[in-house]
Amino acid sequence: SQQGEEDPQALSIQEGENATMNCSYKTSINNLQWYRQNSGRGLVHLILIRSNEREKHSGRLRVTLDTSKKSSSLLITASRAADTASYFCATSSGDKLTFGTGTRLAVRP
Amino acid sequence: EAGVTQSPTHLIKTRGQQATLRCSPISGHTSVYWYQQALGLGLQFLLWYDEGEERNRGNFPPRFSGRQFPNYSSELNVNALELEDSALYLCASSHRWSSYEQYFGPGTRLTVT
Repeated sequence: SQQGEEDPQALSIQEGENATMNCSYKTSINNLQWYRQNSGRGLVHLILIRSNEREKHSGRLRVTLDTSKKSSSLLITASRAADTASYFCATSSGDKLTFGTGTRLAVRP
Repeated sequence: EAGVTQSPTHLIKTRGQQATLRCSPISGHTSVYWYQQALGLGLQFLLWYDEGEERNRGNFPPRFSGRQFPNYSSELNVNALELEDSALYLCASSHRWSSYEQYFGPGTRLTVT
């Protein structure tokens, strides 16, 4: 079963706009990560946030983590057409990495 | 540094046949993970190997099996293929004590007809 559930399932925005994706999970975690997957290919690691962190930045990416609500959000600012992909959150608890169902982001040029 | 590699890229089999998928981890990584991603779905954890041993297994039937070789490369075998086994199979690798930091290969697309 999936630990994380992303919301929304699909998102379509105009180039230059910001995109926000949310992830909710059920059990306590050590850390949470976000991955990107381009059209049926392998996953690319974007960013990791530890359970004792609340916010983290990497370039145009901003991730927040609220452990009290068991949720995280990924914000992509000033989106580009190349950001079109599926985005997955993954939670780590012990040795296991559990992925959510993903958000499909489409950025229109 | 070379990334995780998988072969073949695509594999077409008929129902009832066996499929063998291969994965080579990043140099220095001892753990290999296998995931199944059916069309439009998230990743489902299949198997985790480390130092040649199966460490964890997802909720899949026994016809999904694998092994890890002394050079840490791995094989995933799927016996008695069923149509619903059609999926993208992703392999990832990590250091043993950094299982949360997994690096993914490009995947093998298995189609069962």
